[in-house]
Amino acid sequence: DGGITQSPKYLFRKEGQNVTLSCEQNLNHDAMYWYRQDPGQGLRLIYYSQIVNDFQKGDIAEGYSVSREKKESFPLTVTSAQKNPTAFYLCASSISPGVPEAFFGQGTRLTVV
Amino acid sequence: QQPVQSPQAVILREGEDAVINCSSSKALYSVHWYRQKHGEAPVFLMILLKGGEQKGHEKISASFNEKKQQSSLYLTASQLSYSGTYFCGTEIGSGNTPLVFGKGTRLSVIA
Repeated sequence: DGGITQSPKYLFRKEGQNVTLSCEQNLNHDAMYWYRQDPGQGLRLIYYSQIVNDFQKGDIAEGYSVSREKKESFPLTVTSAQKNPTAFYLCASSISPGVPEAFFGQGTRLTVV
Repeated sequence: QQPVQSPQAVILREGEDAVINCSSSKALYSVHWYRQKHGEAPVFLMILLKGGEQKGHEKISASFNEKKQQSSLYLTASQLSYSGTYFCGTEIGSGNTPLVFGKGTRLSVIA
């Protein structure tokens, strides 16, 4: 089945550690996105990538980094510079940048203690 | 830049109707509606393009008022399965930009 896979579903890390969230898609989509979801805040864009080896910052990119070495993969690293990393992270993809209908993964809930 | 959704939350009994609004201060190219159930991924419902016509999905429909830069989602004869949080995602300008989502409207349908 085609889709977007995020792993793991739950992740716990100690404060000060970097952590990488995985996002893989087999939909052959060009564009991929990372959103952060906090209660009552909706979905806020962290980074997005429209083609391989290229990505742009979203509204809340500080403390995060990404890479897009392969079309199907768009991992997100939450660095120790992120002041409040505990959140629900959603990865999404769309056919092309001009067609933003997004398909979402199941999300990763990150808890930093 | 984030669109404003209203109401923030609504409780309905089965069979009742509801309207959720999404407003932007920017000129919109398109509006997308998603529904998210607790702990799950948002699911795409429909897209409305500037100049396009009203769309429908089962008993859920939506409209796009270009003059007001506002979209409304209409849920008629609500069912228990409609419960969840509804988000609008907006594209501004001429499109080709990532969606900017509103804060969501929590809809609870009770028997």
